[in-house]
Amino acid sequence: QLQLQESGPGLGKPSETLSLTCTVSGGSISSSTYYWVWIRQPPGKGREWIGSIYYSGNTYYNPSLRSRVTISVDTSKNQFSLKLSSVTAADTAMYYCASYPYYSDNSGWVAFDTWGQGTMVTVSS
Amino acid sequence: DIQMTQSPSSLSASVGDRVTITCRASQGIRNDLGWYQQKPGKAPKRLIYAASSLQSGVPSRFSGSGSGTEFTLTISSLQPEDFATYFCLQHHSYPLTFGGGTKVEIK
Repeated sequence: QLQLQESGPGLGKPSETLSLTCTVSGGSISSSTYYWVWIRQPPGKGREWIGSIYYSGNTYYNPSLRSRVTISVDTSKNQFSLKLSSVTAADTAMYYCASYPYYSDNSGWVAFDTWGQGTMVTVSS
Repeated sequence: DIQMTQSPSSLSASVGDRVTITCRASQGIRNDLGWYQQKPGKAPKRLIYAASSLQSGVPSRFSGSGSGTEFTLTISSLQPEDFATYFCLQHHSYPLTFGGGTKVEIK
């Protein structure tokens, strides 16, 4: 059974780059049946999909963040990472990683099945 | 972008009540929708995928229905452990988007 765990600094300064890592256990990040996803939720606000990556490196990003986001995968460490540049207080949020699976029955790609616990990131000077 | 409008944003209910939560998509998303439960400090838990498929291990009092633009999560008989926040996710097209969430509280 997949488990995901986010890690990274909980505090960052405005204009810096936020870097988070998601470690996948219980399965291989090189599986062809998953995309790997970052989501965030600012305090008191709704959830926002940040982007997704396939083990091959194929990525999709939210247009609202595309200019500042890079998601990468490290198959040797079974991890994927998020970098968000030029952060401001508006980037203060709980950040989650999740798995986006493909089912080989007729379902195809289905809703995210496993989420990490989340990590709170605060941007403040 | 596909907007997911979830209602109500909160509700108060008693143990044993039937609870219905709705997500409406701003355009058709076939059945590319999931429902989640989240408790404070915990990871979201998937309840339903493909709009109506029950996640393995989830009690049968949870059910999902709908296709196209209107979707419903129903809890047939609310249990004490069901007090939580529920939200939907559409994965029909990028950018993937979420409903605003429904907080289910004890009456």
